[in-house]
Amino acid sequence: GAVVSQHPSRVICKSGTSVKIECRSLDFQATTMFWYRQFPKQSLMLMATSNEGSKATYEQGVEKDKFLINHASLTLSTLTVTSAHPEDSSFYICSASNGVGGRAADEQFFGPGTRLTVL
Amino acid sequence: AQKITQTQPGMFVQEKEAVTLDCTYDTSDPSYGLFWYKQPSSGEMIFLIYQGSYDQQNATEGRYSLNFQKARKSANLVISASQLGDSAMYFCAMREGLTGGGNKLTFGTGTQLKVEL
Repeated sequence: GAVVSQHPSRVICKSGTSVKIECRSLDFQATTMFWYRQFPKQSLMLMATSNEGSKATYEQGVEKDKFLINHASLTLSTLTVTSAHPEDSSFYICSASNGVGGRAADEQFFGPGTRLTVL
Repeated sequence: AQKITQTQPGMFVQEKEAVTLDCTYDTSDPSYGLFWYKQPSSGEMIFLIYQGSYDQQNATEGRYSLNFQKARKSANLVISASQLGDSAMYFCAMREGLTGGGNKLTFGTGTQLKVEL
């Protein structure tokens, strides 16, 4: 299957700072990328869907000014948590798709996740 | 309303036994896809199996099979011959619409499976 990377894998920051998380599709062009947040022992909650070259679509209840998403190229999307606070501490996972049908099971590929801790 | 329901927060199974993880779903879209993912403690999401709403036969992938009962809107995962390495969190997910990777996934709350000796 296709490979998606995330960087960094872990980050610890002070309250009030901004943190940028990168999601890269390494061997395919990702027309669509998804950003999820997962709190301990809970499910993945979709935060936003981003399509290359256009503004992200945020899920209800997700603050778009706090969670800035940029999908400037077909292989890179970034999530910036602005003015992070302890309640933003979570596991952030991205997934990527090339937007092509085919074998449906292969249509979303997940990154390994980024664990954010805000002190 | 919950679109994906997993009613078993935790399950235990003995090594080499089979185990069924339950999943029910709710959608009015006639076209949809159902997925199962495994998430070990490291956090990565590992795709296990996929079932399309129009697929006539239950999906199978090695030791994994999906018991798809469309009328009941259930898509249970069956793991045969459990191994210690199967211990993980398992998520059921649904995508409404069959084709195109641009359709988002909705996840259930997960089932923590523990395989014992």
